[in-house]
Amino acid sequence: DTEVTQTPKHLVMGMTNKKSLKCEQHMGHRAMYWYKQKAKKPPELMFVYSYEKLSINESVPSRFSPECPNSSLLNLHLHALQPEDSALYLCASSRGPGADTQYFGPGTRLTVL
Amino acid sequence: QKEVEQNSGPLSVPEGAIASLNCTYSDRGSQSFFWYRQYSGKSPELIMFIYSNGDKEDGRFTAQLNKASQYVSLLIRDSQPSDSATYLCAVMDPGGGADGLTFGKGTHLIIQP
Repeated sequence: DTEVTQTPKHLVMGMTNKKSLKCEQHMGHRAMYWYKQKAKKPPELMFVYSYEKLSINESVPSRFSPECPNSSLLNLHLHALQPEDSALYLCASSRGPGADTQYFGPGTRLTVL
Repeated sequence: QKEVEQNSGPLSVPEGAIASLNCTYSDRGSQSFFWYRQYSGKSPELIMFIYSNGDKEDGRFTAQLNKASQYVSLLIRDSQPSDSATYLCAVMDPGGGADGLTFGKGTHLIIQP
C-alpha cells in the first residue's frame, strides 16, 4: 500500500481566514514533504520533515506554518494568505532521509479570494 | 542552483509508436532520478526510478541513465492514448539527507489515436 491521503480535496478561503491542510500516511514512512504546484508549473518543495523534525524550509513565508504531530500526520496551517497562494498543495512521503521514492497524495486545491 | 531541464512539448506520437522523453540535470553529484506522470488536475504518479547507469525496464517503460552526460530518458513502447499526460523528470539531491525533489518543467505528451 503506497497511499498518502490529503484533506480537504478543495478549499476556498478569504485572505483573513485561518485554515489547515492535513496529510496522512500509514506506510511507516519517516520523511514527509509539502510541495506547492501552480498551474502548468512543476511542484516546488516547501518543507521537509524527517523523523517528525523540520529539516528543510525552502524560505517559505510565515503565513504557511507546518506541523508534524506524529510520524503519520503532517499539517499545513494557513493564515492571511494572498490570492497568489492559490495552487495545488501536494503532500508526499518516503521511507526516510535520503531514501528513494516519494509517494504523493492527491493534493488539496486551494483558492484564496 | 540545481536545474533539471525538459522539453515542454507538446510531443505528439502516434498510437502504438515509441515515445521518447528526455531530461538533463546540472548537478553532477545527483544520485537518484525519477519519472512521474501527471494527468491534468491530478497529483504526480511515480512511473520509474533509476539510480545506476544503463537501462531499467518495467513493462512498456524503459528508463535510461547516463551520468557522464547528465541525462535521463524515458521510453514508452506501444504508446496508448491513456499515456497522454505531462511527464515530470525529478532529481534527488546528493548528500543523503531528507532532501526534496527538484522537478523539471515537464513534457506534455499527446498520443494520437
